[in-house]
Amino acid sequence: EVQLVESGGGLLKPGGSLRLSCAASGFTFTNAWMSWVRQAPGKGLEWVGRIKSKIDGGTTDYAAPVKGRFTISRDDSKNTLYMQMNSLKTEDTAMYYCATDHGWFDPWGQGTLVTVSS
Amino acid sequence: DIVMTQSPDSLAVSLGERATINCKSSQSVLYSSNDKNYLAWYQQKPGQPPKLIIYWASTRESGVPDRFSGSGSGTDFTLTISSLQAEDVAVYYCQQYYTTPFTFGPGTKVDIK
Repeated sequence: EVQLVESGGGLLKPGGSLRLSCAASGFTFTNAWMSWVRQAPGKGLEWVGRIKSKIDGGTTDYAAPVKGRFTISRDDSKNTLYMQMNSLKTEDTAMYYCATDHGWFDPWGQGTLVTVSS
Repeated sequence: DIVMTQSPDSLAVSLGERATINCKSSQSVLYSSNDKNYLAWYQQKPGQPPKLIIYWASTRESGVPDRFSGSGSGTDFTLTISSLQAEDVAVYYCQQYYTTPFTFGPGTKVDIK
């Protein structure tokens, strides 16, 4: 069964840092492109960024609101996707989902909640 | 960035009736070299992650009931639920994957009348 499980969310103050993880199983993670998508409470979906597979260059792309503050990485030996989030702002408060990126996103994890508040 | 809009914001349909959701992109998401529209649809129920239902604008994801269909090309797209069931109550989002940043529509909430 294909499964994505996010972890690492929490409550922190503006300016803080956090690293999210996404553990993948049930598919060949090494070949997969992966994305992070977030959803602020009661709001719509916002793509955050993606990382390609290493065989496709392993490059990253980010949405403008997070570029320079968030860094996506992967450890294929652990089947795990990461997102380092620095200089967090209140507007980064959201549920963060990881998803397998085919252009479309499928499947999705259950999400991990990040709350940034003073 | 490609801006995605959806209409209506919400709709209420009687059980067994048709529900139609429109999605419009600010520029074409049709890639001429392969004649494919880079457009997906998702269903999100409360407290759950989104679920893919349609990709390439009209290809139904495996396991999705055939009452769900997608149509359109270029900049104008439609998701149709041919006979609304109680379990279809959800928010529906369109998404373009023609270019990064990938962008979503604001969502359409579907309820039972």
